Amino acid sequence: KAGVTQTPRYLIKTRGQQVTLSCSPISGHRSVSWYQQTPGQGLQFLFEYFSETQRNKGNFPGRFSGRQFSNSRSEMNVSTLELGDSALYLCASSRGTEQETQYFGPGTRLLVL
Amino acid sequence: KNQVEQSPQSLIILEGKNCTLQCNYTVSPFSNLRWYKQDTGRGPVSLTIMTFSENTKSNGRYTATLDADTKQSSLHITASQLSDSASYICVVSALGSNYQLIWGAGTKLIIKP
Repeated sequence: KAGVTQTPRYLIKTRGQQVTLSCSPISGHRSVSWYQQTPGQGLQFLFEYFSETQRNKGNFPGRFSGRQFSNSRSEMNVSTLELGDSALYLCASSRGTEQETQYFGPGTRLLVL
Repeated sequence: KNQVEQSPQSLIILEGKNCTLQCNYTVSPFSNLRWYKQDTGRGPVSLTIMTFSENTKSNGRYTATLDADTKQSSLHITASQLSDSASYICVVSALGSNYQLIWGAGTKLIIKP
């Protein structure tokens, strides 16, 4: 069974640009969550999608948005990039119930110059 | 406010020794508690997940305990190995329709030969 995949793995952008990250969940998983992790910091929750609907949202500005497609693949978009957006972006998938374990992808490392 | 606090922030031990990591939470209503292991630059990997009725759960050399009355959990690592060097993150799930996860900041564990 294939794991969670994220593309691209590495990305370099400049301030003011926008970026789209992609996450393909494990087959059969309907929930995809996105997290931001800056160096030395814990995971900060961005949002969670379940069956194409945003079910939960963290405390991030509106520049961070996402969506989920009917095949459960998810994309995250960050507009008007700032230097502080440089981070490891992780997505996690699960079946979506409260007792389910989340399985994480390898992450996309974004560097904003 | 729902919070998860972990201690110590970092820990260095010699290979072969045991260690215990702590997690205190104020999440209510409580659903379950998870421990994750995160190697540097990679996505977290689930170690254990415990519900309200479970006091102890083991996964190889990792044993997690939960005291729902005092809202404390611990992760005990036996006979540590160099590969145990990682961050260990405690995550608590709150009951409710929004499947909210509250992440601790993690304990960075370094195993020295």
